[in-house]
Amino acid sequence: QVQLQESGPGLVKPSETLSLTCTVSGGSVNSDSYYWSWIRQPPGMQLEWIGYIHHSGSINYNPSLKSRVTMSVDTSKNQFSLKLLSLTTADTATYYCATKIDTPWSFDLWGRGTLVTVSS
Amino acid sequence: DIQMTQSPSSLSASVGDRVTIACRASQGIDSYLHWYQQTPGKAPKLLIYVATTLQSGVPSRFSGGGSGTDFTLTISSLQPEDFATYYCQQGYSGPPTFGQGTKVEIK
Repeated sequence: QVQLQESGPGLVKPSETLSLTCTVSGGSVNSDSYYWSWIRQPPGMQLEWIGYIHHSGSINYNPSLKSRVTMSVDTSKNQFSLKLLSLTTADTATYYCATKIDTPWSFDLWGRGTLVTVSS
Repeated sequence: DIQMTQSPSSLSASVGDRVTIACRASQGIDSYLHWYQQTPGKAPKLLIYVATTLQSGVPSRFSGGGSGTDFTLTISSLQPEDFATYYCQQGYSGPPTFGQGTKVEIK
């Protein structure tokens, strides 16, 4: 059973770059069957899809964040990563990695989430 | 982007009640509608996908319906563990978008 675990800093300053990693266990980030997504949720608010990456190089970002987002896959570590540039307080959220077999558009496997606070 | 609107935003109900949550898409999404349950401090859990298919392990008291623009999630007999926030999500076209959530509280 594939499991996901996010890691990264809990506190980041405004204007800085957020770097998060999702470690995949019980499966391979190289699998053709999975699209690896990042989703975030500001405190008390709804979920927002950030984007997905497939090991083949296929990438799709939410247009609302596209100018500030970069995703990558590290097959040697069985991880995929998110970078979000030019942070503001509006980026404060719990960030989840998520996936579902054979589709990029729904999510049945989630990490526990990591709370990122943007504050000086 | 396709906008997803849920109603009500919150509701109070008792154990054993039948509860229905509605979700409307701003344009037709066929049956590409998924429902999630989220409890405080936890990741969302997929309950139903493509409008009516129960995810493995989800109790049969949960059911989904609808197609096109209007969808429902029904809990036939509310249990204590069902008090949570429920989200719909469209998977018809990118970016996938979520509703604002419906919080089910204990009356």
